[in-house]
Amino acid sequence: EVQLVESGGGLIQPGGSLRLSCAASGFSVSSNYMAWVRQAPGKGLEWVSVVYAGDNRYYADSVKGRFTISRDNSRNTLYLQMTRLRSEDTAVYYCARGATRLTPDYFDYWGQGTLVTVSS
Amino acid sequence: QVALTQSPSASASLGASVKLTCTLSSGHSNYPIAWHQKQPEKGPRYLMKLNSDGSHNRGDGIPDRFSGSSSGAERYLTISGLQSEDEADYYCQTWGTGIHWVFGAGTKLTVL
Repeated sequence: EVQLVESGGGLIQPGGSLRLSCAASGFSVSSNYMAWVRQAPGKGLEWVSVVYAGDNRYYADSVKGRFTISRDNSRNTLYLQMTRLRSEDTAVYYCARGATRLTPDYFDYWGQGTLVTVSS
Repeated sequence: QVALTQSPSASASLGASVKLTCTLSSGHSNYPIAWHQKQPEKGPRYLMKLNSDGSHNRGDGIPDRFSGSSSGAERYLTISGLQSEDEADYYCQTWGTGIHWVFGAGTKLTVL
């Protein structure tokens, strides 16, 4: 059974840093592309970042230069390192598994999310 | 740049059927989409991938009460035999090289 479990969220001051984790089970994080998607309070879903099986990585313009996606195949875990956080980064962050390895397609599994609140 | 348009809300009675619409922007009517369900306090759940010809494949464990269809730039999600647990937000999603992933704004479904 495929499962994704996020952790690492919390309250952080503007300008601070936080690292989110997504522990995967039932498959290998190296076998599919893996992504982070967020949902700000009262808003819709917004794609944040992706890492493909070939290790290509991409970011939404809103987080480029501040967020870094990575994965540890030995721990079967996906990460999102977030720096220079802003109030507009406040959201529930979900990790999602892609349906393929190397090209964009739909997300077929999602985690339950972890809340990041950026506030002083 | 592709965009997806969804009605903000929909409602239908318990046991009835409802059809939700996701409209692709001009020039993108051949794009496939995916439908996801987002219940309060839960992560999204993949429902199905829906192609421009109306063919679709449901996610693991998704009952056949959920079905998809297409017409031109419109993509539909039909839920039949509505149950209380179907009350949720429904998002459509599309993708492509360069655009990565785009979501519609979501439709809030109320089961009366």
